[in-house]
Amino acid sequence: GENVEQHPSTLSVQEGDSAVIKCTYSDSASNYFPWYKQELGKRPQLIIDIRSNVGEKKDQRIAVTLNKTAKHFSLHITETQPEDSAVYFCAASEPGNTGKLIFGQGTTLQVKP
Amino acid sequence: DTAVSQTPKYLVTQMGNDKSIKCEQNLGHDTMYWYKQDSKKFLKIMFSYNNKELIINETVPNRFSPKSPDKAHLNLHINSLELGDSAVYFCASSPVGYEQYFGPGTRLTVT
Repeated sequence: GENVEQHPSTLSVQEGDSAVIKCTYSDSASNYFPWYKQELGKRPQLIIDIRSNVGEKKDQRIAVTLNKTAKHFSLHITETQPEDSAVYFCAASEPGNTGKLIFGQGTTLQVKP
Repeated sequence: DTAVSQTPKYLVTQMGNDKSIKCEQNLGHDTMYWYKQDSKKFLKIMFSYNNKELIINETVPNRFSPKSPDKAHLNLHINSLELGDSAVYFCASSPVGYEQYFGPGTRLTVT
């Protein structure tokens, strides 16, 4: 089945710097790659997603890139702010029509003011 | 106008007890899920129902039994609770292949 690896596990940046989180997946048939942000004690919430027919997607300060050949995708956050501090999860859809997502291990991002 | 709701938010119980967690969504989605998030924050899917039919049944102890009375509700019943069941349990819903909306979570503590 699908396997998702996420790096780094923790990331600390200064406010205003950029942050990059990377994920690799194992099943080349995966076609949906969402990113979730989870603040302390809260539910995971989708921040951006990308499908396999697109190489890059942007939404204000957040962007996701997908390299299907290498089977990896990355989250880029520019001009980080303290409120970006949270745990970020990548996920990949398992092939088939179940909607099953395989999540990465999570990255704890700390943005220092 | 809560999209995905769960009850209870907190559940503290003793080993050996049986407990249930309820989930409801008002988004009209056909698919609902149960996830377990352990102390290391790892999110792992447990079950999924599509329009009341079980479509994902991961390797979880058979002490865990989901039930979906209709496509807006998905409940999780746990028998003979063990210390290792302590975790946060999230319900989610989605149209298949699209964004999953998570509930607020139920923090289960087994003592």
